[in-house]
Amino acid sequence: AQTVTQSQPEMSVQEAETVTLSCTYDTSESNYYLFWYKQPPSRQMILVIRQEAYKQQNATENRFSVNFQKAAKSFSLKISDSQLGDTAMYFCAFMQGGSEKLVFGKGMKLTVNP
Amino acid sequence: DTAVSQTPKYLVTQMGNDKSIKCEQNLGHDTMYWYKQDSKKFLKIMFSYNNKELIINETVPNRFSPKSPDKAHLNLHINSLELGDSAVYFCASSRIRGVSGNTIYFGEGSWLTVV
Repeated sequence: AQTVTQSQPEMSVQEAETVTLSCTYDTSESNYYLFWYKQPPSRQMILVIRQEAYKQQNATENRFSVNFQKAAKSFSLKISDSQLGDTAMYFCAFMQGGSEKLVFGKGMKLTVNP
Repeated sequence: DTAVSQTPKYLVTQMGNDKSIKCEQNLGHDTMYWYKQDSKKFLKIMFSYNNKELIINETVPNRFSPKSPDKAHLNLHINSLELGDSAVYFCASSRIRGVSGNTIYFGEGSWLTVV
């Protein structure tokens, strides 16, 4: 079974700084997808970014980018120019190709300080 | 317009009661889900439906019964509520079954507290 590990339960960063959230996963599959979701205090689950395993290029979405290391099974999220609104729980998630099931990590609480 | 909407958002009820959470999506998606987030924030899939057909049932107790009257709606009925059922329940949807890696869009969650 696939597992997703987020080893840092909590981080804090100053506004405008850059922060990197780590995620590792375990799978024997070659076709899969990786996601980062954000859950602010409002509890809504918001998609931040998505990466296809078959793509070598790292996904980017404005201030958010990933460092996808397939051989190391690592999928970290970099947030540049952190904003107060980035304060949230961040969840890394895995989806096997052909499946519709998201497997989540335990989440990491990020606090952006003014 | 809310893409995936759930009602109620908050629900406090006594042990032993039966309750339902409703979900509707206006995205035209074919697949809908229920996920449960426990007190430690851990998220896990419960069910998925594709066009009213049950696809995934993750060994959820049979006190939980999902019902999909049409592909835009997936309701969750819970019988004989227990303290351990207290959680946030998220409805979600995605576009087309079988298209790998479809992005799953979540509702705002329904916070259930059993007392």
